[in-house]
Amino acid sequence: EAQVTQNPRYLITVTGKKLTVTCSQNMNHEYMSWYRQDPGLGLRQIYYSMNVEVTDKGDVPEGYKVSRKEKRNFPLILESPSPNQTSLYFCASSLPSYEQYFGPGTRLTVT
Amino acid sequence: DAKTTQPPSMDCAEGRAANLPCNHSTISGNEYVYWYRQIHSQGPQYIIHGLKNNETNEMASLIITEDRKSSTLILPHATLRDTAVYYCIVSTDKLIFGTGTRLQVFP
Repeated sequence: EAQVTQNPRYLITVTGKKLTVTCSQNMNHEYMSWYRQDPGLGLRQIYYSMNVEVTDKGDVPEGYKVSRKEKRNFPLILESPSPNQTSLYFCASSLPSYEQYFGPGTRLTVT
Repeated sequence: DAKTTQPPSMDCAEGRAANLPCNHSTISGNEYVYWYRQIHSQGPQYIIHGLKNNETNEMASLIITEDRKSSTLILPHATLRDTAVYYCIVSTDKLIFGTGTRLQVFP
């Protein structure tokens, strides 16, 4: 089944403890991206990747890192999480200029 | 900022057609109109997209005005499972989500 998977789905952590949210797609898509969703603000793009080893900042990249070493994986790294990064995170993938497929979401709470 | 304007909420009776409007008066010639929906806090789901012509697929129809400044998403026979937030996005590739229209389908 074609899908985008994210892990973990739920995470509660403490300020400053490094964490990684994984994202994987099985559709051989070149394009992948990360969004965060906050009440009243809609979905905002954090980082995106046009292909392996090609990443770029989205609208709200501060406090996040990404890597794209393989086509199927696009992990989101929070080196030193802070409470303002408490949010719902979505990973998405697509062929260039085609519709995006979204993962199920990761709900992160930073205390 | 999102380049579209949508009503914040709409209601529709089950079995009736749901017509969701979207204004995009500043759309440029190479931008597509995309529609996505998000059911509760699930990942957004692609519905349909178009450039100039009307489009139809198994989920919905998209009607784009001749001047391309507005469009309407039509769910021909709404069901309770169509209750969701519907996002209209104009884009060449990057998706900018606004706040969408919250569609409530009632029995």
